[in-house]
Amino acid sequence: EAGVTQFPSHSVIEKGQTVTLRCDPISGHDNLYWYRRVMGKEIKFLLHFVKESKQDESGMPNNRFLAERTGGTYSTLKVQPAELEDSGVYFCASSRGLGEETQYFGPGTRLLVL
Amino acid sequence: AQKITQTQPGMFVQEKEAVTLDCTYDTSDPSYGLFWYKQPSSGEMIFLIYQGSYDQQNATEGRYSLNFQKARKSANLVISASQLGDSAMYFCAMREGRYGNNRLAFGKGNQVVVIP
Repeated sequence: EAGVTQFPSHSVIEKGQTVTLRCDPISGHDNLYWYRRVMGKEIKFLLHFVKESKQDESGMPNNRFLAERTGGTYSTLKVQPAELEDSGVYFCASSRGLGEETQYFGPGTRLLVL
Repeated sequence: AQKITQTQPGMFVQEKEAVTLDCTYDTSDPSYGLFWYKQPSSGEMIFLIYQGSYDQQNATEGRYSLNFQKARKSANLVISASQLGDSAMYFCAMREGRYGNNRLAFGKGNQVVVIP
């Protein structure tokens, strides 16, 4: 069974540009999560999809971030326009159901905004 | 307020010895789950072990065990017989049980280096 995959693995962009991160969850997992770790800080929750619906987007930092999960399969996280403080590692995770279900993480996308 | 606290500095561990990583948590929710993840230098987050707040016994998974002390709100990870491949950052995380709230809160992590 393939794990959670994320693309790209690394991205270097200039301030003001747009970047789109992609996450493919484990097949059959309805729940998809985005997390972020900025330098020196804890990993922070961004949002949670159940299928194509946003269950919880309380961690989204501002309206420059837009997450979508059309069709309930893969998800994209767009940052537009990117700012210097957006640099960090963006993790995607998926789980089959709610409750005690373990979240399995992808390898992350390392974003550097110059 | 920080929900997960991991305060140990980086640790050097002799190969084949056991190591304990401390984690304390803060919640008023009676239903919650505790997780440990490993992040090697390659960057991926690897799930290690899970403990539910209502579980009567401490969780174990191979060389990993969780020393769950509910009254003290601690969930320490014990790695027995350390191997060189155990060198990594280890994160403790908590999921609180309110319906629909499945997000994880993470600690800052513990760095472990296993030396031969």
